Amino acid sequence: KQEVTQIPAALSVPEGENLVLNCSFTDSAIYNLQWFRQDPGKGLTSLLLIQSSQREQTSGRLNASLDKSSGRSTLYIAASQPGDSATYLCAVDSRGFQKLVFGTGTRLLVSP
Amino acid sequence: EPEVTQTPSHQVTQMGQEVILRCVPISNHLYFYWYRQILGQKVEFLVSFYNNEISEKSEIFDDQFSVERPDGSNFTLKIRSTKLEDSAMYFCASSPISNTEAFFGQGTRLTVV
Repeated sequence: KQEVTQIPAALSVPEGENLVLNCSFTDSAIYNLQWFRQDPGKGLTSLLLIQSSQREQTSGRLNASLDKSSGRSTLYIAASQPGDSATYLCAVDSRGFQKLVFGTGTRLLVSP
Repeated sequence: EPEVTQTPSHQVTQMGQEVILRCVPISNHLYFYWYRQILGQKVEFLVSFYNNEISEKSEIFDDQFSVERPDGSNFTLKIRSTKLEDSAMYFCASSPISNTEAFFGQGTRLTVV
């Protein structure tokens, strides 16, 4: 059974710092991995999708990498801003039907 | 920008009552999903739906739950007899094809009292 873990659970940084969020999964046989952002009491906003054949994806200040063999993904946020404050969720699709298995998330606070 | 919309944003219901949560997926998407998030817990998969039938469901999705695409635009989740433990945020999502990015709605907060 796929298990997804995210470390750290919470992170507080000053504005402008570069930071890395970690995601690990137990079963390396995945179709894709997706990173989401969740604001308090709100829905999930998709940030990046990495297919199993890809090593990384970039969108603006965000870069996500995938190492399937070690069961790890990282989300790199460059030059963090207060507006980046949110919970970041990693989710893995092991079935190809978007039956996503989510991690517990990393709660990020970027202070001005 | 196209988005998944869900109604209502918040619903309060009495235990034992039936509820229907509604979703309008992105118009050209073919795959539809329901997830839920109990307060303070992980987001959990409930069901996926394609070509007018369930393609995958979790252990949570028991006989009390059903999904329907009653017309060309709506996708609904029905809970027949709500329990206190059904209280959660329910998210609808859609994707154009399988194994692609899933787009989520803003959620319906269901409170069972």
